[in-house]
Amino acid sequence: EAEVAQSPRYKITEKSQAVAFWCDPISGHATLYWYRQILGQGPELLVQFQDESVVDDSQLPKDRFSAERLKGVDSTLKIQPAELGDSAMYLCASSLEGHMNTEAFFGQGTRLTVV
Amino acid sequence: AQSVAQPEDQVNVAEGNPLTVKCTYSVSGNPYLFWYVQYPNRGLQFLLKYITGDNLVKGSYGFEAEFNKSQTSFHLKKPSALVSDSALYFCAVVEGDDKIIFGKGTRLHILP
Repeated sequence: EAEVAQSPRYKITEKSQAVAFWCDPISGHATLYWYRQILGQGPELLVQFQDESVVDDSQLPKDRFSAERLKGVDSTLKIQPAELGDSAMYLCASSLEGHMNTEAFFGQGTRLTVV
Repeated sequence: AQSVAQPEDQVNVAEGNPLTVKCTYSVSGNPYLFWYVQYPNRGLQFLLKYITGDNLVKGSYGFEAEFNKSQTSFHLKKPSALVSDSALYFCAVVEGDDKIIFGKGTRLHILP
């Protein structure tokens, strides 16, 4: 069964350091999402791609976060510099055509701890 | 702005009993409603969705949800709970801009 792949699964970094997460969506899925899930809360959308284009990054803290999906396939989310408040689970998801038309498939996530 | 509320942080149910996980929503237009489940150390898994049509939606693992427009609710139900249903459940709503908003989640404990 096809899955959304994310790496690393766990990451511990010191504050002010740079950190990057990688996501490989299900083959053929045009829409890719990055979510942040703080413990005890639901996922919050950080950025949504349609192919290689950003559709929504209104909740992405652009002073320190960046995301790219250069060839419209895999994607990288970067934080520089990391802050203590960035500790969370970062989830990647993909879908054929967005949430309204098709279900989204989620990866296992990357758990980030900033110390 | 759209929003979704899950009023219970945790629900405890004895195995074999029916279960209900509550969800209410607020949107300005027609809602697209979803339930996702999250098992420990796993990503979210899609359970079911309501877009239009029959108010009772059937999904994976024997779950169903009832859309109630007058009460703006979309409660998740299962007639007979299994211990393996223990997980974190998220209700979500999507509006016209395709932005999905998740509730804070409800932890379901099924007691053997």
